[in-house]
Amino acid sequence: SQELEQSPQSLIVQEGKNLTINCTSSKTLYGLYWYKQKYGEGLIFLMMLQKGGEEKSHEKITAKLDEKKQQSSLHITASQPSHAGIYLCGADGGQAGTALIFGKGTTLSVSS
Amino acid sequence: NAGVTQTPKFRILKIGQSMTLQCTQDMNHNYMYWYRQDPGMGLKLIYYSVGAGITDKGEVPNGYNVSRSTTEDFPLRLELAAPSQTSVYFCASSYGITGDYYGYTFGSGTRLTVV
Repeated sequence: SQELEQSPQSLIVQEGKNLTINCTSSKTLYGLYWYKQKYGEGLIFLMMLQKGGEEKSHEKITAKLDEKKQQSSLHITASQPSHAGIYLCGADGGQAGTALIFGKGTTLSVSS
Repeated sequence: NAGVTQTPKFRILKIGQSMTLQCTQDMNHNYMYWYRQDPGMGLKLIYYSVGAGITDKGEVPNGYNVSRSTTEDFPLRLELAAPSQTSVYFCASSYGITGDYYGYTFGSGTRLTVV
């Protein structure tokens, strides 16, 4: 079965600093999804990557998919307190309707 | 645009009690899923359904049951609550179209504590 490993497990950065979160798959990546979660709340969809080399951005968050490395990275530029939360990567199995498999998450704290 | 609705949002159960977590979606999605989230463990799949009348086990199904009598509803049943079932439960649905990011929609979660 597919497993997703996220690194780091937790991260504390100073406001204004850049950071990167990685998600590495044990198997071929098809659809890779990034979600953000604030404590006690649901999952907020950030973006989805499908093709090797694909890169998407939303405000100050950029995600890339390296198909050969079976890895995705999430980069936040000039972090703000509003970026704090848990970031989860999820992968579909390449078939319609397959349930997403999730990594354990990366907890981000931003100090002002 | 309700999306996926879960009730209740919070619940405290005593050991041995039973309850049903409700999940309803109004997007006519064929696929529905139940996940549980424990601190630092991500989301783990409990059960899923590919359509009305069809359900199957996920990674952690023990202690739970599901049914899918309609496209809209996918309730999760806990028969004999145990402390190990203390968790946050998320229901989700999808079109079943790979690559369609509108497909995977999550509810806001049910926080369950078993004491």
